[in-house]
This record gives sequence, structure tokens and C-alpha cells, in this order.
Amino acid sequence: TQLLEQSPQFLSIQEGENLTVYCNSSSVFSSLQWYRQEPGEGPVLLVTVVTGGEVKKLKRLTFQFGDARKDSSLHITAAQPGDTGLYLCAGEKTSYDKVIFGPGTSLSVIP
Amino acid sequence: DAGITQSPRHKVTETGTPVTLRCHQTENHRYMYWYRQDPGHGLRLIHYSYGVKDTDKGEVSDGYSVSRSKTEDFLLTLESATSSQTSVYFCAISGASGGLTSYEQYFGPGTRLTVT
Repeated sequence: TQLLEQSPQFLSIQEGENLTVYCNSSSVFSSLQWYRQEPGEGPVLLVTVVTGGEVKKLKRLTFQFGDARKDSSLHITAAQPGDTGLYLCAGEKTSYDKVIFGPGTSLSVIP
Repeated sequence: DAGITQSPRHKVTETGTPVTLRCHQTENHRYMYWYRQDPGHGLRLIHYSYGVKDTDKGEVSDGYSVSRSKTEDFLLTLESATSSQTSVYFCAISGASGGLTSYEQYFGPGTRLTVT
């Protein structure tokens, strides 16, 4: 049973387009992280959201945590080829518990 | 940079042979983790450690054992490798050191293991 679902699984877009990827669960998380993983490398932490309704911006990336802390979204504005990679969400259900990873969204930005 | 390395980076081994993967960190982080990553499954936790000689099982621990005799080293052992253990293995660390909280993880570069 996948506790964290991500959609879409694959996404291929042209440079300059906007996109949104989603991370959903039926469980409540005390915090949620987004990572990006490039081929042949380990995931790299992008952001952590903690408060329901929280919005964080990282340059052209906007992250939102749902009000009920069960879901999150990542919006990329004017995508660039350097945004290509696997985007993983991960959630912590309770403090000091193990983190659960979603299966990821594979993004390809075509020049 | 949390200073985490994995060795070896690539390994090919035969079914039935023992294999040990090493994770080494230089920043004194408390928590260390071993994951495997397979297409369609994402990252799955094998074992983790919350201190020297303190380890616990993750969701896919069968066929794997771990040891942590020093803060900086976390070893993953496949006692008798099987083809189903062909995967990419990632070590991760977290903890108060280096600005990471207990839930934010910093990953190593990975070890690609092939069992023939």
C-alpha cells in the first residue's frame, strides 16, 4: 500500500511552460519534504513544509502544503531543461518517526 | 555538504555470495538510513540507525542486516545475495548536525548493485 501517491507519474513539457505535480495521501503528516533527483545521483532536499496551508517559494518553484496536511503540490513556472529530474515527496507522520517517500514524478523539459 | 560517501559505487556479484556496502559520514549526524530504489517503487527503507549499535528494521529488511559500530559508519550486508536484490542502494543521514532536522535527509551518491 502506497501511503503517498504522486501524479502524474511522467511529465514531458516544452521549455517555458508551467506545470504542477501533486503529492496526496489519506494520512496526516506533521511535515512534508520535496526532493529532486537527477540521473545517477541521490535525491537532494528542496524544501520542507510544516504548517497546513503553508506556501514556500524557491525561485521559480512554489510549494504548497494542504490545509489538512494530507497533500502538497509543486508548481514550476517557466520550466527550464535544468529542471529535468525525478521529483519525490516525503512525509513524516509523527515527530521522530520514519519518513515515507512517494514513488516520484519524472519530469522532462525539452529545449 | 554533509560529507556522505558510499562504497563501492558499482558492484556485480553472483547469487549466493555475501556483499557489504559501506556508508561513511563526516558530520556526526545521529540518524543513518539505507534505502533501495527500484522502478515503480520509489525509495524503500531497508534499515535505519538512531545511534551507535542502535538499529531497527524498515519496510523491506528481509535478507539484509546492518551494523553501526562507529557514528560515522553504517554497513549494509546482504548475507546471501539474490537476483531480487539487484537495485540501487542509497544511504542517507539526518539529525541536528549541519542544520538538518530528524526528518530532513541528505543522501549519498548511491551504489548500483547487480546480482547475476
